Amino acid sequence: AQKVTQAQTEISVVEKEDVTLDCVYETRDTTYYLFWYKQPPSGELVFLIRRNSFDEQNEISGRYSWNFQKSTSSFNFTITASQVVDSAVYFCALSERGSSNTGKLIFGQGTTLQVKP
Amino acid sequence: DSGVTQTPKHLITATGQRVTLRCSPRSGDLSVYWYQQSLDQGLQFLIQYYNGEERAKGNILERFSAQQFPDLHSELNLSSLELGDSALYFCASSKGVDSVEQFFGPGTRLTVL
Repeated sequence: AQKVTQAQTEISVVEKEDVTLDCVYETRDTTYYLFWYKQPPSGELVFLIRRNSFDEQNEISGRYSWNFQKSTSSFNFTITASQVVDSAVYFCALSERGSSNTGKLIFGQGTTLQVKP
Repeated sequence: DSGVTQTPKHLITATGQRVTLRCSPRSGDLSVYWYQQSLDQGLQFLIQYYNGEERAKGNILERFSAQQFPDLHSELNLSSLELGDSALYFCASSKGVDSVEQFFGPGTRLTVL
């Protein structure tokens, strides 16, 4: 069964703190993609990153970094030196490739991040 | 701007009513996905159409139906509305049937009173 779990419902930090958002996934497919999306208060979904199951290299983009570990089925997201503008709901998502001929996304429950000044 | 348009932006209606949400995909995209974001269920996949044909189905209620027209725009019809149907409905489009890259529209916020 396919499933994405974001155990942290809400996280509150003070500006400039580092914060890590956890994502654990379940899939029987060996080929899949993992995503992170940001949903600011305005409501739209903003794509942040996509990784495929064969690429376990960590990625850094500015203050954002992602740690993909197949051994623990995790795809965690770290924001370094958080800013108030980072306040949003963050979603982790999974797209299986092997067993189904569809690109549908399975989302986690989301983590609400509040960054206080 | 993702290139995916959704209308209307907001919709307020009463229980028992029927509404239609519309989505126009990006130019050249053949797949349209519908997702529902509600307080109870989170963000979940409802249904996918590819080039006019239903391709995949998620947790879509029987009261809900969708279709994709020859010009590739899609409509999601919600009937016998209940309070719990209040949600943000997203449409996304992609080029192929299982393309990795999906582009999300701004969403339609439905409020059922």
